[in-house]
Amino acid sequence: EAGVTQSPRYAVLQEGQAVSFWCDPISGHDTLYWYQQPRDQGPQLLVYFRDEAVIDNSQLPSDRFSAVRPKGTNSTLKIQSAKQGDTATYLCASSPGRNTEVFFGKGTRLTVV
Amino acid sequence: GQQVQQSPASLVLQEGENAELQCNFSSTATQLQWFYQSPGGSLVSLLSNPSGTKHTGRLTSTTVTKERRSSLHISSSQTTDSGTYLCAIDYNQGKLIFGQGTKLSIKP
Repeated sequence: EAGVTQSPRYAVLQEGQAVSFWCDPISGHDTLYWYQQPRDQGPQLLVYFRDEAVIDNSQLPSDRFSAVRPKGTNSTLKIQSAKQGDTATYLCASSPGRNTEVFFGKGTRLTVV
Repeated sequence: GQQVQQSPASLVLQEGENAELQCNFSSTATQLQWFYQSPGGSLVSLLSNPSGTKHTGRLTSTTVTKERRSSLHISSSQTTDSGTYLCAIDYNQGKLIFGQGTKLSIKP
């Protein structure tokens, strides 16, 4: 069974540029998460979906970040006008339901210079 | 707020020694997972253990729900066990909250 797939694996941007990250969750998993992990810190939740609905986006900087999951399968996280403080690894994860095991993709390592 | 505290922050052991990692949480947990992350690597789920004791290979996790704590025991450590171990909790909100991790270094 394929795991959570993310692309690209790496991205380097100048400040002010935009970037999109793509995630394909495990087939049949209704819940999809996006986390941000700064270097040497634990992952922090940005947003999560159940099917196509956003359940919690309270930690998503809404002025520059957006996330969609239009058909309840794949998802895209977009950063408009990136800042150096956005430098981190962006992790996508999925699970088959509440209180079940969560599986993570390999992440996208973003560097903003 | 709801927090996850891990200790120690770092741990250095000789190969063959046992490691004991701790995770404390602030209220009732409906899900608890231990993850491993190699330097620059991805998160690998080790154990899902919201209560009781679970074993897999050289790993044993014991979660005492009433005392809001969980431990991860690694027996007969190997140099390849080096990396960061993360504890994550779901406080019945449908999302995992992570601790800051324990950085484990196993010397040959």
